[in-house]
Amino acid sequence: DQQVKQNSPSLSVQEGRISILNCDYTNSMFDYFLWYKKYPAEGPTFLISISSIKDKNEDGRFTVFLNKSAKHLSLHIVPSQPGDSAVYFCAASYNKLVFGAGTILRVKS
Amino acid sequence: EAGVAQSPRYKIIEKRQSVAFWCNPISGHATLYWYQQILGQGPKLLIQFQNNGVVDDSQLPKDRFSAERLKGVDSTLKIQPAKLEDSAVYLCASSFAMGPFLLYNEQFFGPGTRLTVL
Repeated sequence: DQQVKQNSPSLSVQEGRISILNCDYTNSMFDYFLWYKKYPAEGPTFLISISSIKDKNEDGRFTVFLNKSAKHLSLHIVPSQPGDSAVYFCAASYNKLVFGAGTILRVKS
Repeated sequence: EAGVAQSPRYKIIEKRQSVAFWCNPISGHATLYWYQQILGQGPKLLIQFQNNGVVDDSQLPKDRFSAERLKGVDSTLKIQPAKLEDSAVYLCASSFAMGPFLLYNEQFFGPGTRLTVL
């Protein structure tokens, strides 16, 4: 069963514009949500996280929004840069991390 | 600070053969994880160790997969015998601690081992 879903396999954005990556989850037990970034031939690296008691967390160009009633979270990248091109995984945690399938972001210069 | 080390980086074997992967976590990290990432999917937890004890192996196919962390530091994941559907990237991660998720439980991932079973 897919408890964490990323319905967009890929996203293409122009440099300088906003990138919005979406994630839906089904398990109400999740209490922490994370985004990981992955470059080819490397392991995922932690990007930003949010606790279930918050609805927004910001770190520089990256902002994560959480809508608990809709069981939905999103990652906003503003402004997008070519170096942001990577696979982005949404993950949720209660006693272990459950990952979505990932979204390939391509930022065009 | 050195990251999580894994070897080999790539491995090609035939079905029914055996294979082993090695992981050395970040120094001082008590918790070690093995994930399987099949192409087009996100990483899936196979097994989690706290020091040298198993915390969670509920998703480990125990008829063919085994893992150990004898001295509470590095770890080995073995597949015997391999099947075609085991083709995947095997990721090792480590974190300082475990428990209720706090910032110090951030998982650091190694580069992975790409396994191809023919």
